[in-house]
Amino acid sequence: GENVEQHPSTLSVQEGDSAVIKCTYSDSASNYFPWYKQELGKRPQLIIDIRSNVGEKKDQRIAVTLNKTAKHFSLHITETQPEDSAVYFCAASQGGGTSYGKLTFGQGTILTVHP
Amino acid sequence: EAGVTQSPTHLIKTRGQQATLRCSPISGHTSVYWYQQALGLGLQFLLWYDEGEERNRGNFPPRFSGRQFPNYSSELNVNALELEDSALYLCASSLYGGGYIQYFGAGTRLSVL
Repeated sequence: GENVEQHPSTLSVQEGDSAVIKCTYSDSASNYFPWYKQELGKRPQLIIDIRSNVGEKKDQRIAVTLNKTAKHFSLHITETQPEDSAVYFCAASQGGGTSYGKLTFGQGTILTVHP
Repeated sequence: EAGVTQSPTHLIKTRGQQATLRCSPISGHTSVYWYQQALGLGLQFLLWYDEGEERNRGNFPPRFSGRQFPNYSSELNVNALELEDSALYLCASSLYGGGYIQYFGAGTRLSVL
């Protein structure tokens, strides 16, 4: 089945710096890659997603890049703010096969933005 | 528009008991997913229901089961509870199944004593 590895497990940055979180996936059939942000005690919320027919997607300070050949995708946050502090999860999903429908999540990255 | 709602918020059980968790999807969504989030770990896929049918299942024992009702709400049942079942159980819904954005509920915190 699909396996998603996420790095780093913790990331500490100063306000205004950039943050990058990387994920690799094992199943080349995966074609949908969302990123979720989970604040302490709250539900995971989708912040950005990308499909396999696109190499990069941006939404204000957040961007995601996908390299299908290398089977990895990354989250980039620019001009970080203290409210960006949270746990970030990457995930992968397929449109068919045994992994159809389910999201396989990485282990999460605890991002801390220091004022 | 209401989001995904889950009940109860917290549930305390003892070993060997059964737990029932409930989920109401976003209006119009037909797919419901269940995930387990144990402390310090990522989310592990449990079950996916769509149009009343179980479509996929994660690597969990058969004592984890569920169903989806005609109004698309869903129930997760955990039988013969074990201490390691203590976790946050998250429900998500999507407009259609497979490859569509999943929106999560706030979860049910299950504690097994």
